Amino acid sequence: DIQMTQSPSFLSASVGDRVTINCKASQNINKYLDWYQQKLGEAPKLLIYNTNSLHTAIPSRFSGSGSGTDFTLTISSLQPEDVATYFCFQHNSGFTFGSGTKLEIK
Amino acid sequence: QVQLKESGPGLVQPSQTLSLTCTVSGFSLMDYSVHWVRQPPGKGLEWMGRMKYDGDTYYNSALKSRLSISRDTSKSQVFLKMNSLQTEDTAIYYCTRSLGARGYWGQGVMVTVSS
Repeated sequence: DIQMTQSPSFLSASVGDRVTINCKASQNINKYLDWYQQKLGEAPKLLIYNTNSLHTAIPSRFSGSGSGTDFTLTISSLQPEDVATYFCFQHNSGFTFGSGTKLEIK
Repeated sequence: QVQLKESGPGLVQPSQTLSLTCTVSGFSLMDYSVHWVRQPPGKGLEWMGRMKYDGDTYYNSALKSRLSISRDTSKSQVFLKMNSLQTEDTAIYYCTRSLGARGYWGQGVMVTVSS
């Protein structure tokens, strides 16, 4: 089974900061990596699919990059409404979520 | 309009079997896969298993011995059964249509395992 190691587990940043969240796969997953945002009390929402494709209606400050085993979610300018937990998800071989990154505003 | 709604008992006793139903509308189970994902309180997401559009199933290896997913296409329902429940199975259980760009999530159903 493919393991997904997500870092950091917790992140505190200021409004306007550039924020990066990382995910490392235990083996090559090609481009099949998605990013989800989950706000308190809500179901997860897809932000990015297949490494770098922005989902419908997602603000352009969110972007994804990477390939193979190393992937990054970037928020170019953090906004208050971005407070949430973020999960990566691989679907190249089986299906696996990362452990999550809780993002707060300083 | 695509909708998925999970239903089932809110409370299950330890060692018993959990039975959940995902009722879908706005699409056909013969055109899209349905996945089950769960989330223990305050913890991360765990992918559980999938009913593919062609009827094939695929399970998380950690749950495979306890988990069964089936469907009734005529009723637009997908079923999850998991046996030998323990307290660590307490979670919100979600069903989703596909995952990724064509995905839709249900609102989830909270299941507590307790005597």
